[in-house]
Amino acid sequence: GAGVSQTPSNKVTEKGKYVELRCDPISGHTALYWYRQSLGQGPEFLIYFQGTGAADDSGLPNDRFFAVRPEGSVSTLKIQRTERGDSAVYLCASSATGGWGETQYFGPGTRLLVL
Amino acid sequence: AQSVTQLDSHVSVSEGTPVLLRCNYSSSYSPSLFWYVQHPNKGLQLLLKYTSAATLVKGINGFEAEFKKSETSFHLTKPSAHMSDAAEYFCVVSDDSNYQLIWGAGTKLIIKP
Repeated sequence: GAGVSQTPSNKVTEKGKYVELRCDPISGHTALYWYRQSLGQGPEFLIYFQGTGAADDSGLPNDRFFAVRPEGSVSTLKIQRTERGDSAVYLCASSATGGWGETQYFGPGTRLLVL
Repeated sequence: AQSVTQLDSHVSVSEGTPVLLRCNYSSSYSPSLFWYVQHPNKGLQLLLKYTSAATLVKGINGFEAEFKKSETSFHLTKPSAHMSDAAEYFCVVSDDSNYQLIWGAGTKLIIKP
C-alpha cells in the first residue's frame, strides 16, 4: 500500500516569507507526527496529532510554527516569517493509533532552505 | 528523562566483514527500542524494534539487535556487510509513557569495497 507522502520534496524561500508543507499519512492511521532534522542530527519532535486535534505541540520552537489536520488525514505544517535557522528537513510520520511502542512510518521529508 | 547515546558517529568496515553499531540508552522503565536506517535522500525506514518480548530481535536485510538491560545497550549487528548497507543508522527509544521517540545522533556506516 501507499506509504507516507510529503510535498513539496524541496522548498526554497526567502527570509520572512510564509511556507506550507504538506503530509499525507498512511490511510487509516489516526496518529500523525512532525519532526525536524537538521544536518548531522537525529530528528527532533515538533508536534503530534491524534485525529484532528494536536495532542502534543510541545516541540514547536515558537509561535511562527503552526500545524493543522482538519479532517484527521492530511496535515499541513505552516511556518510564518521564515528565518535562515528554519532550514532543515521536515519529516512527517504516521502510526496506526499512537500507542506506546508503536512503529512510526516516515515520509521522505521536505527539504526547506531559507535564503 | 530518557536519552540515547550512539557511541560512534562513523563506522567504516570492509564489504563482507561484520558490522557493529553501538547504542546505549537511559530509561526509567522498560523501554521500546528501535533502529531506523536513512539512505541518502531517502526516508527513514524501520530496521527492527524491541518491545519487551525476545531480547534478540531480528530485522530486515540481515540486521539484528540484542537488548541487554544490565548494560542498558541495544547494539545493532550484521554478520556480513554489503555495499547497499552504507547509510545513516539511528537508535531510538520510546518515551516511558507515550508515543514520543527519543533519537540518537546517528551513526554513519561506510562500506569499503
